[in-house]
Amino acid sequence: KAGVTQTPRYLIKTRGQQVTLSCSPISGHRSVSWYQQTPGQGLQFLFEYFSETQRNKGNFPGRFSGRQFSNSRSEMNVSTLELGDSALYLCASSSNRELNTEAFFGQGTRLTVV
Amino acid sequence: AQSVAQPEDQVNVAEGNPLTVKCTYSVSGNPYLFWYVQYPNRGLQFLLKYITGDNLVKGSYGFEAEFNKSQTSFHLKKPSALVSDSALYFCAVRDVRYYGQNFVFGPGTRLSVLP
Repeated sequence: KAGVTQTPRYLIKTRGQQVTLSCSPISGHRSVSWYQQTPGQGLQFLFEYFSETQRNKGNFPGRFSGRQFSNSRSEMNVSTLELGDSALYLCASSSNRELNTEAFFGQGTRLTVV
Repeated sequence: AQSVAQPEDQVNVAEGNPLTVKCTYSVSGNPYLFWYVQYPNRGLQFLLKYITGDNLVKGSYGFEAEFNKSQTSFHLKKPSALVSDSALYFCAVRDVRYYGQNFVFGPGTRLSVLP
């Protein structure tokens, strides 16, 4: 069974630009969550999608958005990039939304903003 | 509010010795606790979870964790460390303020197993 696939693996963008990251969950998984990982702030929850609907959102500005498609694939978008958006962005998929269910993470997309 | 603390930034242990990576938590309601490991340039890999039941939970790669409700701790353990266990370990708790798949992670503990 294929794992969670994130593309691209690496990105370099300029301040002010926008970026779109992609995540393909494990087959059959309908819940996709996104996290930002930085050395200073650690791992922080961005948002969760289930059945094409955003279910939860973390404490990030509106420049961060996402969506989920009918095949459960998800994208996240960051507009008007800032230097502080440089981070590893991780996607996680789960078979359901239950609190006792583990999530499986992709390898991440490393975004560098210059 | 949900929070997780990992009091040690770094843990060093000799290969073959037992290892412990510490985690304490603060939650409202029942805790749903998880351990993940991250190798360089990789995502997080699930190790084990505590939901209910036995306080000693067994997981992947020979790891286990002990849940202690009175001390609000969930320490990760392994009887005999391998050099390949060297990685970054994260303790996490479900954020029960929001029903669904979002974790609150600890800051991480870097484990170095010395040959």
